[in-house]
Amino acid sequence: DSGVTQTPKHLITATGQRVTLRCSPRSGDLSVYWYQQSLDQGLQFLIQYYNGEERAKGNILERFSAQQFPDLHSELNLSSLELGDSALYFCASSVVPAGGLYEQYFGPGTRLTVT
Amino acid sequence: AQKITQTQPGMFVQEKEAVTLDCTYDTSDQSYGLFWYKQPSSGEMIFLIYQGSYDEQNATEGRYSLNFQKARKSANLVISASQLGDSAMYFCAMREGTGNQFYFGTGTSLTVIP
Repeated sequence: DSGVTQTPKHLITATGQRVTLRCSPRSGDLSVYWYQQSLDQGLQFLIQYYNGEERAKGNILERFSAQQFPDLHSELNLSSLELGDSALYFCASSVVPAGGLYEQYFGPGTRLTVT
Repeated sequence: AQKITQTQPGMFVQEKEAVTLDCTYDTSDQSYGLFWYKQPSSGEMIFLIYQGSYDEQNATEGRYSLNFQKARKSANLVISASQLGDSAMYFCAMREGTGNQFYFGTGTSLTVIP
């Protein structure tokens, strides 16, 4: 158990819908990262937050957004869902922000299926 | 150019044998970190080992060691005495000192044969 929690574990929804994925980082970790893992794209970095502020953006679509709250939990919002958004979404946390060469610890992931 | 390259989509190893999973990286930063993660069929991503660019010794964690060759920009994972539970996907990753992002390779699927 990495200490990072993600809910829900599985999510099935229809095209055009909106969903929210939730992540709680490890105790003491201020940085949260979101990743998308699909069969054809591998593990893609989406976005990073540090202590409530956005720090880095990767291949995140405009239909997707995220935020980190004062209690450090983070939410990833996916809207106007398409079949291609079906993937495993990971949250990861680490103790340091930019420049810190520390490992990330991953949550168990949320498996999103868009039908 | 790809930041992380894993050229072995799939590997097989006999139980109790050692296996090396290849990883090369591309960066112009002097300060960076290299990581290996294991993803079993259950889906979770498990951190295995870390090597900093300034570390002179190769990192080791139990049966895992990282063969770090800086000049060749390679960071191969060596698993000794393979066990059936080592069957999984293995991902190499890098974080550059000047950035926030982690870069992941495409992974290597390892199958341990009894």
